[in-house]
Parts: sequence; C-alpha cells; structure tokens
Amino acid sequence: EAGVTQSPTHLIKTRGQQATLRCSPISGHTSVYWYQQALGLGLQFLLWYDEGEERNRGNFPPRFSGRQFPNYSSELNVNALELEDSALYLCASSFGGGRNTGELFFGEGSRLTVL
Amino acid sequence: KNEVEQSPQNLTAQEGEFITINCSYSVGISALHWLQQHPGGGIVSLFMLSSGKKKHGRLIATINIQEKHSSLHITASHPRDSAVYICAARNDMRFGAGTRLTVKP
Repeated sequence: EAGVTQSPTHLIKTRGQQATLRCSPISGHTSVYWYQQALGLGLQFLLWYDEGEERNRGNFPPRFSGRQFPNYSSELNVNALELEDSALYLCASSFGGGRNTGELFFGEGSRLTVL
Repeated sequence: KNEVEQSPQNLTAQEGEFITINCSYSVGISALHWLQQHPGGGIVSLFMLSSGKKKHGRLIATINIQEKHSSLHITASHPRDSAVYICAARNDMRFGAGTRLTVKP
C-alpha cells in the first residue's frame, strides 16, 4: 500500500513568486496535516484539513494557504515567497473524524528553496 | 518559553547503551507523539500515547499525564538508531526542538 506521497521533492523559487506543494494521503485517510521545518528550527504546525475543510491553522501569515480536494489530496500554496520560507514542508495523514486514532503517517517532504 | 521541552538536545552513545530522551510539556494534551527524523528529513511516527507505556521492539515510550512528562527509551542502541527524535504534543501539534542521537559503533 502506498504511503503518503508529496511532490515535488525539491522546488526552487525566487522571492515574490508562488509555490504550490502537493500531498496525497494514504488511502482511506481523510485528514491531512502540513508542517514546516525551517533550517535550524523545529517542526511547526501549519494547517490541518479534514473532509475538505480547514480544521485548524498554525501561527502563519495568510500567504500560507491550502485546500483539500474531494479525493482528500491536498495542496499547500505559499504566495509572495520570502527567503525565510525556505524549509522542508512535511505532510502527514491520518484517519479522520470518529476513526481518528491519532496516529500520523508522514511523507518524505518537499524541500523549498527561495533565492 | 517553548510549551514542549526536550532533553538532552544532543546525545552521543556507544552501541549497546541504554538511551533515554525526555519530554516535558506545559499544555494540556490529549496525546503525545514520538517521531523519528532521519537525515534527509523523512519522519516516522514511533508512538502515540495518552497514558502508561508502549513498547515496540527496542523502543519504549512512557507518559505521566499528571507530571506532564514523557520519556523515550532505546535499549541495546545501534548505529542505525542515529536520528533526531522529536516529541509532539497533540492539540495543535506543539513540537519539541528534537534530540539528535548519535550512536557510535
């Protein structure tokens, strides 16, 4: 069974551009979580989607946004890129709603470099 | 002050040693995760626990809800255990800064 898949693996952008990162959860999972791990910093929670709705959001500016599609895959969009947005962006999935055991499964991450 | 504190920050051990990594949190949580991050960034969820103790192979995780403290133990450590171990408090997923473990042969 396929795990959580993320694309692209690496992405290079320049300041002011937009970046779009994608995540496909494990089959049957309806919850998708996004995290940022900037160089020298720990993991930080970005966004949580479940059943197509944004359920929670971390302490990030509005230029970080995303959505979840009917097939439960998700996109993370970062607008007006800044140098400090350079980071590893990790996606995780889990069962949602009443089936949520809390166990998370992580993708390999997308490394975004902003020049 | 970080709501989730891990110690130690770095840990070097000889192969075979017993390892303990500690995590203290100040927020109310429904569960706590222990994660393992390998070089390159890939993360594996090791445990999710809300009470007591869990064991998987050489790994043991304990949590004391009253004391808001959790520990991750590795018995008979091996160089392949070298990684960053992160505890994360559920509810908004507040993360510790991680413990970088290096196990030398």
